[in-house]
Amino acid sequence: AQKVTQAQTEISVVEKEDVTLDCVYETRDTTYYLFWYKQPPSGELVFLIRRNSFDEQNEISGRYSWNFQKSTSSFNFTITASQVVDSAVYFCALLTNTDKLIFGTGTRLQVFP
Amino acid sequence: GAVVSQHPSRVICKSGTSVKIECRSLDFQATTMFWYRQFPKQSLMLMATSNEGSKATYEQGVEKDKFLINHASLTLSTLTVTSAHPEDSSFYICSARWGAGANVLTFGAGSRLTVL
Repeated sequence: AQKVTQAQTEISVVEKEDVTLDCVYETRDTTYYLFWYKQPPSGELVFLIRRNSFDEQNEISGRYSWNFQKSTSSFNFTITASQVVDSAVYFCALLTNTDKLIFGTGTRLQVFP
Repeated sequence: GAVVSQHPSRVICKSGTSVKIECRSLDFQATTMFWYRQFPKQSLMLMATSNEGSKATYEQGVEKDKFLINHASLTLSTLTVTSAHPEDSSFYICSARWGAGANVLTFGAGSRLTVL
């Protein structure tokens, strides 16, 4: 079965705090892709990152970083020095050879000034 | 590049009417587009896969006669909600593949449907 679990429903932090959003996935496929998307209050989905199953290197992009660990089937997302503009719902998603993108339930992040 | 345009962004209609939502790939050709539905504060659920020039593939539990999908060209897919009812009120989002390996999905901005 293919599944994505985002156990954190809501997280609230104060500006400048670091925050990590957890994502755990399940698949029996050896080739798959993991994604993170941001959905601000306006509703559109913003692509943040794609990672394929053969690339376990962590990635950093500005204040964003991702930790992919196949051993624990996790693909966690960390925002460093959070800002109010980071407030949004963040979705982790899995794409396997079924050709269907499966989303987690999302984590709502609120960053307070 | 890789922009998907969705129209309308918001639509309000009376119960029993039909509503059409368009999804266009603006700067690339998309042989496959996907339609998702999102209820308030919930995740995105895949409704159907739209294939250019052939019938759409619907997910289990999605009524194909209720949600008509047409993908007549490489840049346009439409979703028609027929005889809409209040329970069809939702946020509908389309997406299309782009990029090397075609495994990155670009999403439209979504269409919020409210059925009175």
